[in-house]
Parts: sequence; structure tokens; C-alpha cells
Amino acid sequence: KQEVTQIPAALSVPEGENLVLNCSFTDSAIYNLQWFRQDPGKGLTSLLLIQSSQREQTSGRLNASLDKSSGRSTLYIAASQPGDSATYLCAVRSNDYKLSFGAGTTVTVRA
Amino acid sequence: NAGVTQTPKFQVLKTGQSMTLQCAQDMNHEYMSWYRQDPGMGLRLIHYSVGAGITDQGEVPNGYNVSRSTTEDFPLRLLSAAPSQTSVYFCASSYSSGVKNIQYFGAGTRLSVL
Repeated sequence: KQEVTQIPAALSVPEGENLVLNCSFTDSAIYNLQWFRQDPGKGLTSLLLIQSSQREQTSGRLNASLDKSSGRSTLYIAASQPGDSATYLCAVRSNDYKLSFGAGTTVTVRA
Repeated sequence: NAGVTQTPKFQVLKTGQSMTLQCAQDMNHEYMSWYRQDPGMGLRLIHYSVGAGITDQGEVPNGYNVSRSTTEDFPLRLLSAAPSQTSVYFCASSYSSGVKNIQYFGAGTRLSVL
């Protein structure tokens, strides 16, 4: 069974600082990995999707890397803003279509 | 462009009652799934479907039934509600494969079982 872990569970940084969010998974036989954002009381919004053959994906201030052999992904958010405050979830898709989620990292960016 | 639509948004049930959570998508996605989200536990897969007429169990299927008669709809049935089923339920859809099989989520259904 795929186990996905996100550390830390919570993070508070001053505005302008770069954010580094970590995700680890136990089974390297993955189809893809996706990072989501969830605002309080809302659904999930996809941020970045990395295919198993890729090493990284970028979108604006966001960059996600994937090291399949070591079972790790990292989400970098450059120059954080108060609007980046949310919970960030990592999800790993296995070859049998199932998606396994981490518990998330709750980020607070202080103005 | 509605995406994934879930109804109702909120529901309160008494123990033993049954109900159906509705999920519809208009993106012609093959893959649909249901998750529950509980504090500190992340999202857990309940049931999923890779196409009309095909369903399978996820991590926590007990107490729930699903069916997939059309590509667009994937309802989740609670057979006899229990307090342990108090949770937030999310429906998601995506293409089964390809470089664009991003998961799209509905806004969720918040269920309380008394």
C-alpha cells in the first residue's frame, strides 16, 4: 500500500520568504504526482502535475521536483505572499489509477 | 464550464438513515472517484470507477455503495448512516491516462450523522 507523508504539518513564515514543502512516498512505482492547494472549507485546486518520467514542473512562482528513486517530491513557492496561506496536499497516483494523499502542510504567510 | 458538481453541499442525518450524494462532471472524464476527508488524516479513497459500468473499492469502502451507469454521473450511497461517517466528502474526475490527467475536485459535501 502506498503511504504518503508530508512534513512539516504546519509552517509559518514572514511575507517574502521562500517556502519549501516536502512529500515522501513509499512505493516508487508511480504514474504521476500532483500538488494541490486547499483553502479552508473549500475543495482542492490542482497546482502542478509531474509525470513519473519528469524531474520537475514549474508554474509562475511554483516549482515542484520529483525524485522517484528516493520517493520524494518538493514544492517550492518563491517570494511568499499572504494569499499563499492555505493547506498544500501532495497526491501520488499509482499505476492502478488509485490516488494516495498526504495529510497536508498548512502554511501561514505573515504580512 | 461546470467541471465537477456535488450536491448537496451540507447534510445532517440521523443514525440509520440512508442517502445519496450526487456527483456529476461535464468533461467526459473516464475516471471518477470518491474521497472522505477527516482532520489530520488527509483524503482517503472510498470507491472509484474507470468507466461506465466499472467500479472498484478503495481504501475505506465499508458502508458505502456506488454505481456508474453513465460517464457523467457517479453517485455515492450511504446505506445506513453511522456517526463514524461524519466527514467531508469529495468527488473527483480525470482522464485515465495521458499527460493531462489532472484530478479535478468538486466543492465537497459536509455530512454530519447524529
